[in-house]
Parts: sequence; structure tokens; C-alpha cells
Amino acid sequence: GQNIDQPTEMTATEGAIVQINCTYQTSGFNGLFWYQQHAGEAPTFLSYNVLDGLEEKGRFSSFLSRSKGYSYLLLKELQMKDSASYLCAVRDGSSNTGKLIFGQGTTLQVKP
Amino acid sequence: DTGVSQDPRHKITKRGQNVTFRCDPISEHNRLYWYRQTLGQGPEFLTYFQNEAQLEKSRLLSDRFSAERPKGSFSTLEIQRTEQGDSAMYLCASSATTYEQYFGPGTRLTVT
Repeated sequence: GQNIDQPTEMTATEGAIVQINCTYQTSGFNGLFWYQQHAGEAPTFLSYNVLDGLEEKGRFSSFLSRSKGYSYLLLKELQMKDSASYLCAVRDGSSNTGKLIFGQGTTLQVKP
Repeated sequence: DTGVSQDPRHKITKRGQNVTFRCDPISEHNRLYWYRQTLGQGPEFLTYFQNEAQLEKSRLLSDRFSAERPKGSFSTLEIQRTEQGDSAMYLCASSATTYEQYFGPGTRLTVT
């Protein structure tokens, strides 16, 4: 089966650091993506991990452990505009379509 | 690069009516995906096209749903005899590889 778990909601303070966790159990694995989605808008790409380790991109970093079926997204120096839903998605490795299997999303609220 | 566009952005229809949505992918992207997203959930895969060929359909895509991609350019998603459970955001995404998918703004369908 396919299962991707992430917390439903998180709250953090402007300027702080927040870590959003994602665990997955999928029949195939071919990479993990993080997307940001503001209310009523399209998901936008944040990061991609296919090998174990940390990928850093400005204020955003993403980590992957394939053996543990675990990833996290780290957001530093939080800004009010970071209030959004963060979607963890696994690229299905059981087919060659590249389709994504998404978690339910984590709604992050950044407070002043 | 004007991004992925979708039309209409919003559609309100009465139960039992047919609706059709259009997606224009990024030019030269041969891969096109349709996803459905309900409130508080992540997107769920519906169907995948590579050029004009529909190569995968989710079990979520009942026989009331049909999708086409004539000539491998734009795509349409039609829902016949709409039901209230069809109310959702319908997202289209395109990519040139199995790597990053670029999402359109979505069509929000409300069935009354």
C-alpha cells in the first residue's frame, strides 16, 4: 500500500526555525519532493531528494533517509509569507509515469 | 515560459450536469498529469499522458470521467453526470522529465 504521514498543523514564530517531518511507506520509491501551497493556489516546487542526506537551498533544507522511510523539511528565519501548506510527495517507483503520491499536507502558521 | 494554465478557474454546476476543464501545459513538456485535491488533503493522482497517449488511469477515475490530450498539446478532463462528491480542486501538472512537475492554478469545481 501507499501511506505518507505528516503532521496536520504546526505553528511557529517569525524568525524561528521549524522542522516538518514526513514518513512514508510506498510500494516503490523514486525520489521525494516537498511542495509549498498557499491557500487557493497551485503547489510550487521546493526541494527534491533521491539519495540519503541533506539538500540545502537558501532558507529551506530537506533531508532524506531511505532506510527509515523518513524525510524532513527545515525552514529557517521564518517569515510571515511562509504561512502555507507544505506537501510531502513520493514519486511512485512502481511505474515509469513519474506520478506523485502526496501526503495530506502540513499547514504552517507563522505568528509575529 | 508562461507556465501551466487551466480554464476555467472556478466552475459551479448543478448535480447531473456535464463539465469540461482545459489544461495548457508548458510548451515542449510531453508529460501531463491530472490530480484532484479536496479540502485539507494533498493532491491525488487521476491520470497521466505522455504526448497524446493516456498511459495510466487511477481507480479514482470512474467511468464518468474521461480525459484526452489530442496532438499531445492541451488536455481536457470531462466529468459527466456530476455528483456532489466531485466537488474539488482539479490540478494539472506538466513536466519534461520524471523530475519536477509544474502545477497549474487549478480549476475549483463546486457541484450544488
